[in-house]
Amino acid sequence: AQTVTQSQPEMSVQEAETVTLSCTYDTSESNYYLFWYKQPPSRQMILVIRQEAYKQQNATENRFSVNFQKAAKSFSLKISDSQLGDTAMYFCALTASIDQGGSEKLVFGKGTKLTVNP
Amino acid sequence: KAGVTQTPRYLIKTRGQQVTLSCSPISGHRSVSWYQQTPGQGLQFLFEYFSETQRNKGNFPGRFSGRQFSNSRSEMNVSTLELGDSALYLCASSWTGPRGYTFGSGTRLTVV
Repeated sequence: AQTVTQSQPEMSVQEAETVTLSCTYDTSESNYYLFWYKQPPSRQMILVIRQEAYKQQNATENRFSVNFQKAAKSFSLKISDSQLGDTAMYFCALTASIDQGGSEKLVFGKGTKLTVNP
Repeated sequence: KAGVTQTPRYLIKTRGQQVTLSCSPISGHRSVSWYQQTPGQGLQFLFEYFSETQRNKGNFPGRFSGRQFSNSRSEMNVSTLELGDSALYLCASSWTGPRGYTFGSGTRLTVV
């Protein structure tokens, strides 16, 4: 079964500094996607960044970048120049096959609560 | 463009009652999935609908059901509510499946 582990339940960072959130995963599939989602108090799950497993280049979206280590099954998120609006729960997720027909679902980690302090 | 809309935002029900939650996906999206979020279990997959057909179902009892209409709007129903059904229920939609999901803001269900 596919699993996602986030070992840091809570983290804090000062505004304008850099923070890295950790995620490890386990899957036996060769074709999968990894995601980082942000969930602020408004509750909506917002896609931060997506990585396709067959792409070696790490994905980047403005201040957000990932360090994708496929062999180690590690997928960390780096947030540069942290802003107060980055305060939220961050979830790492993996696409997982449900059956042989190619259907998929998302498997989520337990989340990391990030607080950006002024 | 409009995002994924879930109604109602909040709901309080009594044990034993049933409840129906609604999700309106982004226009043109055919895949709609539902997830349950609780502090203890985290985010768990309930089911996915694609072009009005249930394509996949998670490991939940038969009290949890859903459907999708021809306009891709989806509803999920929970019958004989239990206290443990209290959760945030999130809906997500995309053209094809979970690789491109956009989530709604969820319905917070409280069972008393």
